[in-house]
Amino acid sequence: DTAVSQTPKYLVTQMGNDKSIKCEQNLGHDTMYWYKQDSKKFLKIMFSYNNKELIINETVPNRFSPKSPDKAHLNLHINSLELGDSAVYFCASSRRDGYTFGSGTRLTVV
Amino acid sequence: DAKTTQPTSMDCAEGRAANLPCNHSTISGNEYVYWYRQIHSQGPQYIIHGLKNNETNEMASLIITEDRKSSTLILPHATLRDTAVYYCIVRVDSGGSNYKLTFGKGTLLTVNP
Repeated sequence: DTAVSQTPKYLVTQMGNDKSIKCEQNLGHDTMYWYKQDSKKFLKIMFSYNNKELIINETVPNRFSPKSPDKAHLNLHINSLELGDSAVYFCASSRRDGYTFGSGTRLTVV
Repeated sequence: DAKTTQPTSMDCAEGRAANLPCNHSTISGNEYVYWYRQIHSQGPQYIIHGLKNNETNEMASLIITEDRKSSTLILPHATLRDTAVYYCIVRVDSGGSNYKLTFGKGTLLTVNP
């Protein structure tokens, strides 16, 4: 009965590969997000979707492409992975007065 | 959204109250104060929010000064599991569910046995 679930939890891959992270929420929220937390622990927003429509795109490289098939799902596809993409990626969904975050996907690019 | 300033780190003894301050001197009238925390290796967790009145829930209390330029998050009886980074965030509530949360560096609260 997890509210916001992400898969996989860990992802280790080589430079140049393409990978996807999936996110699903069962809270009935209209808005979903991707945040990135780098090695210095700063949490930064990447994207937000409201009812499958892209709302926020925070100057993220084109290699990152979010896809929302329905309002309960927001997946993140990353092409041509680089070493600097190594981070923890958090999915979240929101109601008016707060976010619910997933437990994160730790991506390591080697 | 207004900027917030928090101490980098704080310590608290287990069972005692933890009082985490936040300065938001440029807050505007329609901006709310939110608190989240991030326990190591987990996603951030919503704690509490308020506009100008003090608020209390099962997790914490939020005290906002009358001029709204600062606030304090109070964990009344801190436990070891409360060790986390606590984020104070200010944002406008426009009434919808779509908004950006801007996280700063937060305060690392360490609860000691």
